[in-house]
Amino acid sequence: DVKVTQSSRYLVKRTGEKVFLECVQDMDHENMFWYRQDPGLGLRLIYFSYDVKMKEKGDIPEGYSVSREKKERFSLILESASTNQTSMYLCASSDPWTGMTEAFFGQGTRLTVV
Amino acid sequence: GESVGLHLPTLSVQEGDNSIINCAYSNSASDYFIWYKQESGKGPQFIIDIRSNMDKRQGQRVTVLLNKTVKHLSLQIAATQPGDSAVYFCAEIRSGGSNYKLTFGKGTLLTVNP
Repeated sequence: DVKVTQSSRYLVKRTGEKVFLECVQDMDHENMFWYRQDPGLGLRLIYFSYDVKMKEKGDIPEGYSVSREKKERFSLILESASTNQTSMYLCASSDPWTGMTEAFFGQGTRLTVV
Repeated sequence: GESVGLHLPTLSVQEGDNSIINCAYSNSASDYFIWYKQESGKGPQFIIDIRSNMDKRQGQRVTVLLNKTVKHLSLQIAATQPGDSAVYFCAEIRSGGSNYKLTFGKGTLLTVNP
């Protein structure tokens, strides 16, 4: 079974802090994605990556950056956390060659910025 | 702006009835359309996909219909069961060379009444 693991289920950070959300997948997938999920807004794509050190902006990249130094790990960085970044963050991975439409999601990290 | 959207945010059906969840899209350049199911406290899970050059695809108890003329996608669930209660998202994939952008709509909450 594909496993996508996010480092924390719940996180509370202060405004202005630098926040790292970590995601690891164990299926050697090339594609990885970061979304945030807010009530009534669905899942919005922040950043995605199709290879090590490669990244593409999604629909709402402002205030975020990402890092993909190893294939299995995709990190989301909030350079200076703000209260409007309080949200559920979901990481996903997929294999573009055998199943690009089937993304596997982690359990999510609920981030609260106070 | 968001390309993939939904007509109704909530749908309530009786157990045993058929459910139809609708989705409108605006981008004709999508390669695939996909349906995901998200149960409470979990990440979204893949249900079924349809390539953009098809108009119908069937799975186990589910059928996806794609009408490119009116840019409309639907998910039909036969004999809906209480375990089908969840939020359903339509999603699309647009490929650009080696990368694949997976974007989601806002979601429909399906409630199955016993």
